[in-house]
Amino acid sequence: AQKVTQAQTEISVVEKEDVTLDCVYETRDTTYYLFWYKQPPSGELVFLIRRNSFDEQNEISGRYSWNFQKSTSSFNFTITASQVVDSAVYFCALRPHTDKLIFGTGTRLQVFP
Amino acid sequence: SAVISQKPSRDICQRGTSLTIQCQVDSQVTMMFWYRQQPGQSLTLIATANQGSEATYESGFVIDKFPISRPNLTFSTLTVSNMSPEDSSIYLCSVRQVDSYEQYFGPGTRLTVT
Repeated sequence: AQKVTQAQTEISVVEKEDVTLDCVYETRDTTYYLFWYKQPPSGELVFLIRRNSFDEQNEISGRYSWNFQKSTSSFNFTITASQVVDSAVYFCALRPHTDKLIFGTGTRLQVFP
Repeated sequence: SAVISQKPSRDICQRGTSLTIQCQVDSQVTMMFWYRQQPGQSLTLIATANQGSEATYESGFVIDKFPISRPNLTFSTLTVSNMSPEDSSIYLCSVRQVDSYEQYFGPGTRLTVT
């Protein structure tokens, strides 16, 4: 079965706090891709990152960082020093060899000033 | 990344009518997809739009309800037919570039059926 689980439905933090969004995936494929998308209140889906199954290097982009661990089938997303503009729904997604993106249920992040 | 536009951006429609949503991409793309996002929910794939042939629908979605066209590599339409309030959702067009693994999404069409 191919599945993405985002157990955190909603997270609230105060500005400047660090926050980690969890993502756990299931697939039997040996080659697959993992994604994170941001959906702000305006509704568009913004691509944040793609990771290949054969590349377990963690990645940092500004205040964003991603921790990919195949051993635990997790692809977690950390925002450092959160800001109000980070408030959005964040989706983790899996694409196995079928080319179809499978989305998690999303985590709503609210950052309060 | 591809620049994707959708028309209309939002609409309010009456039950029983149909709405056609357009998706235009600024470059040729191998694959185009249509997703639905019901209020407060995640994204669900409706179908893959195939250029020059019938779309490939996911389980639970049928051509009579969601006819799709893709006349070329940069344009596709999704029609939501015989609408009911349950069709109220955001409909998103998505594309994958010829030489990239990334998948991008259009701004979405917010549909409300009364």
